[in-house]
Order: sequence, then C-alpha cells, then structure tokens
Amino acid sequence: GQSLEQPSEVTAVEGAIVQINCTYQTSGFYGLSWYQQHDGGAPTFLSYNALDGLEETGRFSSFLSRSDSYGYLLLQELQMKDSASYFCAVRKLSGNTPLVFGKGTRLSVIA
Amino acid sequence: GAVVSQHPSWVICKSGTSVKIECRSLDFQATTMFWYRQFPKQSLMLMATSNEGSKATYEQGVEKDKFLINHASLTLSTLTVTSAHPEDSSFYICSAFGQGGTEAFFGQGTRLTVV
Repeated sequence: GQSLEQPSEVTAVEGAIVQINCTYQTSGFYGLSWYQQHDGGAPTFLSYNALDGLEETGRFSSFLSRSDSYGYLLLQELQMKDSASYFCAVRKLSGNTPLVFGKGTRLSVIA
Repeated sequence: GAVVSQHPSWVICKSGTSVKIECRSLDFQATTMFWYRQFPKQSLMLMATSNEGSKATYEQGVEKDKFLINHASLTLSTLTVTSAHPEDSSFYICSAFGQGGTEAFFGQGTRLTVV
C-alpha cells in the first residue's frame, strides 16, 4: 500500500516563506508531485520530482530525497491567493497508473 | 496544457435516482481516466481507473454496481451513480495525465447532493 503524511494545517504571514513537508511509504515509487486546490475547485499541478534535488518554478520550489522518502514544497513571497490546500501525491509505477494523494495541508496566509 | 472538461458542475437529485457525470479530454486522447471522490476538508480518494474499451478497475470498497463507469471513446468517460443515497453526496472529480505523463489534469468536479 501507500501512505503519505503531511501537516494538516499551516498558517503563515503574507510575504513570508513556508515549507510543507511530505513523507511517504510506498511499495513502488514513480515521482512525487504537488497539487494546489482552492475551496470548491479542482486540483492544479504545481511540481513533479522524479529525482533527488530541488525543482524551482517561480515562487514555488519542490524538493525530493528518495533515500529518506521525503519531500517538501516551498512557497516564497506568500500572497493571500496562496491560501489553499496543498497535496503531495505519488504514483507507484509509470504509465497509466493513478496518483495517490496525501491528506492535504491547508495553508492560510494572513496579513 | 491539456484540458479536461467535466459536467455537470453540480447536481441535486432525489434519493433513489441515478446521476450521470461526464468527463471529456478536449485536446488530447485519454486512454485512461481516473475517478476520485472528495468529502469536505478531506483528500481525494481514488474510486476507479477507467480504461477505454475495457472494464474499469475499482478500488477496494467501491461498489462497481453502484458506480458505473463507461469509457467508450478515447475522449469520454462517464460515471453513473445509481440509486443514489444521501451518503453519496460528495465532490466527484475526474483526471487524466497529459502527454508527458507527469502532470495530471483534472475536470472541474461535480458537486453531487442527494436529498
């Protein structure tokens, strides 16, 4: 089976930096992804890490350590619109296999 | 990026009736689509994997006779909630991977309320 652990809630101040951690246990591993979901909306893709290291996309960065079964999403220069739920997700295999999501971290950005 | 269109975005139905939800890949072919269910303030739980031209694969605990999935073409998968009950009220959402195989695209989701 697969399980992913991430904090349930995080609060941060506008303009600050926040890190959302994710640890996973899977029988197979084909990359760690991060998705953002605003209330009532669909998840949207943020990042994907297949190999160890840091991937940067604008204000968002994602890190993976496969040996530690650990990753994180880093959000910089927080904006109010970043208030949303953030999910880490893994796939066991390549090809048409589904994403398995963590329970999600609800980020609240305050002024 | 690829576009997945899902409708209806919301539906209210009476207990005991059936509801069909459609999921279309608009600018790419999706041989496989995934159906998730999400209860308020919870994560997305995989219900089934829908494969074009073959039977869907259901996750453990999901009743295949209650949640009928049809994937008759490379761009359309449907989920029919049969004999709906109030406990089926939830947010249903479909997904497919784009050409690169690393980014999943989601439909807008369907908010089902059974009264």
